[in-house]
Amino acid sequence: DTGVSQNPRHKITKRGQNVTFRCDPISEHNRLYWYRQTLGQGPEFLTYFQNEAQLEKSRLLSDRFSAERPKGSFSTLEIQRTEQGDSAMYLCASSANGAFFGQGTRLTVV
Amino acid sequence: AQTVTQSQPEMSVQEAETVTLSCTYDTSESNYYLFWYKQPPSRQMILVIRQEAYKQQNATENRFSVNFQKAAKSFSLKISDSQLGDTAMYFCAFMKFNSGGYQKVTFGIGTKLQVIP
Repeated sequence: DTGVSQNPRHKITKRGQNVTFRCDPISEHNRLYWYRQTLGQGPEFLTYFQNEAQLEKSRLLSDRFSAERPKGSFSTLEIQRTEQGDSAMYLCASSANGAFFGQGTRLTVV
Repeated sequence: AQTVTQSQPEMSVQEAETVTLSCTYDTSESNYYLFWYKQPPSRQMILVIRQEAYKQQNATENRFSVNFQKAAKSFSLKISDSQLGDTAMYFCAFMKFNSGGYQKVTFGIGTKLQVIP
């Protein structure tokens, strides 16, 4: 499978815990995005990497959120001290001339 | 900032019929892409069709085609011979380029399409 891969698919965590998600993009794509989607809404942009450089962060990305792409390949998104409002689907996409999405990680904070 | 507007929250169509989903966008850019994505209940976002702004010819992918009106900033999706598997949320999306080649995708809020047997 040469598509975008995200792990885990589902994560349930207690409020206050830290969580980390991983995204493996399509190998020849140097652009990688993280989006968040809540029920009934379109995906909202969180952050963007070109190779290992993080070029933009949305104001939605509070200081509890951090994303990395250390070698310009896979990326991680960490949420510290999770809150119930963080419950959402977290989507990763990689891009050439169109964003191709992974299956997402569904986070539930209880 | 770019905005993408989908004014039809929900639509339905009889199987084998044709349906058109509307999308308008607002931008000052001249070089951009437009997309339609499909999100079935599995929540996987699937790229359906792509249109480059500099191309006058409307894109077509099998049963899916677009009506791209650049001056009107309109980008509608036509689904012909609708199938039950077309039931999904459909998102219109805009992607711009800047001088550094940076590309950011902005999505509309989606149209829920129900194909009726």
